[in-house]
Amino acid sequence: KQEVTQIPAALSVPEGENLVLNCSFTDSAIYNLQWFRQDPGKGLTSLLLIQSSQREQTSGRLNASLDKSSGRSTLYIAASQPGDSATYLCAVKTQGGSEKLVFGKGMKLTVNP
Amino acid sequence: DVKVTQSSRYLVKRTGEKVFLECVQDMDHENMFWYRQDPGLGLRLIYFSYDVKMKEKGDIPEGYSVSREKKERFSLILESASTNQTSMYLCASSPPPGDKQYFGPGTRLTVT
Repeated sequence: KQEVTQIPAALSVPEGENLVLNCSFTDSAIYNLQWFRQDPGKGLTSLLLIQSSQREQTSGRLNASLDKSSGRSTLYIAASQPGDSATYLCAVKTQGGSEKLVFGKGMKLTVNP
Repeated sequence: DVKVTQSSRYLVKRTGEKVFLECVQDMDHENMFWYRQDPGLGLRLIYFSYDVKMKEKGDIPEGYSVSREKKERFSLILESASTNQTSMYLCASSPPPGDKQYFGPGTRLTVT
């Protein structure tokens, strides 16, 4: 059974730091991996989607990498800003035809001005 | 932009009531999903649908049912609400296969 882990559960940093958020998964037979952002009391916003054949995806200050063999993905946030404060979740779609995603429990990021 | 809307942002119901949560998407997506999100437990899939009138159980279907009569609309039904169903409910949609899931704003349901 696929399990997704995000450690640490929370992180507090000063503005301007470059950040690395970690996501690990137990079954390397994934179809894709998705990073989401969630603001308090709101729904999830998709940030980046990496297909299993890809190594990384970039959008603005965000870069996500994928290493299937080691069961790991990282989300890199460059030059963090207070507006980046949110909970970040990763989710994997396992190979096999189901559209079901397995989510990590998220990492709460606070960027202090 | 894809838009997923949910019928209510906040809802308060009494134990035993029948509760309907509605979700509508405007991008002709085949797949739609209902999740609940609880502190410490993360997001858990309740049901999903991959076509009109088609549904599959997720990880925690007990106490819930769903309806998908039209492609754009996916309803979650609590037949007899209980206090342990107090939660944040999130709807999502996606086109196949394996594309991004797009989420609605969520419904915070309180059952008293």
